[in-house]
Amino acid sequence: QSALTQPRSVSGSPGQSVTISCTGTSSDVAGYNYVSWYQQHPGKAPKLVIYDVSKRPSGVPDRFSGSKSGNTASLTISGLQAEDEADYYCCSYAGSYTLLFGTGTKVTVL
Amino acid sequence: EVQLVESGGGLVQPGGSLRLSCAASGFTFSSYAMSWVRQAPGKGLEWVSAISGTGGSTYYADSVKGRFTFSRDNSKDTLYLQMNSLRAEDTAVYYCAKYSRGYYYYMDVWGKGTTVTVS
Repeated sequence: QSALTQPRSVSGSPGQSVTISCTGTSSDVAGYNYVSWYQQHPGKAPKLVIYDVSKRPSGVPDRFSGSKSGNTASLTISGLQAEDEADYYCCSYAGSYTLLFGTGTKVTVL
Repeated sequence: EVQLVESGGGLVQPGGSLRLSCAASGFTFSSYAMSWVRQAPGKGLEWVSAISGTGGSTYYADSVKGRFTFSRDNSKDTLYLQMNSLRAEDTAVYYCAKYSRGYYYYMDVWGKGTTVTVS
């Protein structure tokens, strides 16, 4: 299985919105409503920010939102803040108790 | 506080073996499936393996199947990843992570990772 496809980088000014796409196949993203997103700051462990396509864990700001259409999932960060600058990874359940991560996207706050 | 602490990483020669551990605290360990995820230097995340709450079921990525063995000791709240026949491409930071609600769909708690270098 190949990694899910994400743009290498996206950027935006503080207060703007950015959207990260995550493209998979019928065997993963399109086949299940179990897409999650993780934020990773340099040298740190990943942190869950979205699960089950669009649900936010407790403590994650509501400026993070997720959606899915067909084989593409998306993470939108609204009202971009300096602390949102990080790497973001999508992840999809791929059947048989396996998970498939995306290639990762670096979000830069200009 | 829910916490996962990995240990056991280090430098090993190609073809060698290493055993990673992950100590859990702050939750009912045996009730949750657990996983290992790795990240090669400058690269993305890669799911490696999962284990059920009882330890009776294990699942592996094709890249490690037959070489890695995931186990757990629920009496010690500890996970183990036995890595044999190591290759240069196994060089990575290895994270243990807790699945949420007993399902295998996403991880809600991660450790800080332990570094494995195969060279």
